[in-house]
Amino acid sequence: AQSVSQHNHHVILSEAASLELGCNYSYGGTVNLFWYVQYPGQHLQLLLKYFSGDPLVKGIKGFEAEFIKSKFSFNLRKPSVQWSDTAEYFCAVIKNTGGFKTIFGAGTRLFVKA
Amino acid sequence: NAGVTQTPKFQVLKTGQSMTLQCAQDMNHEYMSWYRQDPGMGLRLIHYSVGAGITDQGEVPNGYNVSRSTTEDFPLRLLSAAPSQTSVYFCASTQGRGTEAFFGQGTRLTVV
Repeated sequence: AQSVSQHNHHVILSEAASLELGCNYSYGGTVNLFWYVQYPGQHLQLLLKYFSGDPLVKGIKGFEAEFIKSKFSFNLRKPSVQWSDTAEYFCAVIKNTGGFKTIFGAGTRLFVKA
Repeated sequence: NAGVTQTPKFQVLKTGQSMTLQCAQDMNHEYMSWYRQDPGMGLRLIHYSVGAGITDQGEVPNGYNVSRSTTEDFPLRLLSAAPSQTSVYFCASTQGRGTEAFFGQGTRLTVV
């Protein structure tokens, strides 16, 4: 089945640690890729997106993600996390770029210790 | 500019009751969708609409109905609530094909 896989369900880090959250998708064609963040008690917000061009994309709050087509991956990174980054992070895919349906991964809960 | 507005924020239903979750957007987006969020399962698509008068089923449509009479509104109806429908429901809208979704604040529904 076509899917979006996030490798870590829960991650606990100390402030200033580096973060990398894995995301793989199984669609064979062209895709648009997204990372969304959900802070406690809030709705999902866009963190960053990749449509085409430079495979290293930068988003808000110091986050970045790298699209590696050969690995069907779109991993999220941040060099130094803060307590305020505590949230749930969702990788998402729209296949064939011209579609509407967004398919989400199961999410990764990040807890940053102060 | 309110974005995507969902009501109510919280709701408790008894098994067998029906209700409608409201969703409205003021961004003139053509595409709207409903997701449910359950722990460890991410967001699963219930129903979606690509424009007024056009709706289609997502991954988990059973037990839910939708309609899209206007561009702005996309209500979700629970026909006969079941405990398995206890979840957080999010409405989202998208401006165009392949672009990011804008989400409402969510409705936390408990069915007892």
